[in-house]
Amino acid sequence: DIQMTQSPSSLSASVGDRVTITCRASQDINNYLAWFQQKPGKAPKSLIYAAFFLQSGVPPKFSGSGSGTDFTLTISGLQPEDFATYYCQQYKSYPLTFGGGTKVEI
Amino acid sequence: QVQLQESGPGLVKPSGTLSLTCAVSGGSISSSNWWSWVRQPPGKGLEWIGKIYHGGSTNYNPSFKNRVTMSVDKSKNEFSLMLNSVTAADSAVYYCARAMTGDDTPDYWGQGTLVTVSS
Repeated sequence: DIQMTQSPSSLSASVGDRVTITCRASQDINNYLAWFQQKPGKAPKSLIYAAFFLQSGVPPKFSGSGSGTDFTLTISGLQPEDFATYYCQQYKSYPLTFGGGTKVEI
Repeated sequence: QVQLQESGPGLVKPSGTLSLTCAVSGGSISSSNWWSWVRQPPGKGLEWIGKIYHGGSTNYNPSFKNRVTMSVDKSKNEFSLMLNSVTAADSAVYYCARAMTGDDTPDYWGQGTLVTVSS
């Protein structure tokens, strides 16, 4: 299985900050990488697919980059509604696997 | 706008079978999308269980060791998950999701349903 490692596991930030979350794959996954946002008690929300394409309706303050094994999710101008846990997922090979999550806290 | 809604018992006895259904609205289950199940134990991360196509093709996570079966009911526009020989470790919120066409990752998710395995 491909292991997905996210860092940091949590971070503290302030409204207006720009934050970057890193996701590393245990092997080359090309750009088969997605990002999800999850708020407490809610289902995940799809943000980004294919490493940098935004899902419909996702604001451009979210951006993704990377290819191969190293990827980043950047959130610009943090707003209160952005405080959540973020997960990456590889879909290069089966079983599909997720990172352990990064909790973005105030 | 596609919507998915999970349903099923919230409590299952150990060694029993977990059965969940996901009703799809706002779209056809016979589209070119695959349909997935993902679970999340309380306070933990996400785990992919598997996926099914409307024609019946499936792809399961081997970690479930032949305990899992998925099916589609096109007449009801829904798909289902069965997980047998459950233990407390199977207690989780179970989500159904639609995989994108062309990119094998979810774009739409159900709200999730909590299943607890306990006697």
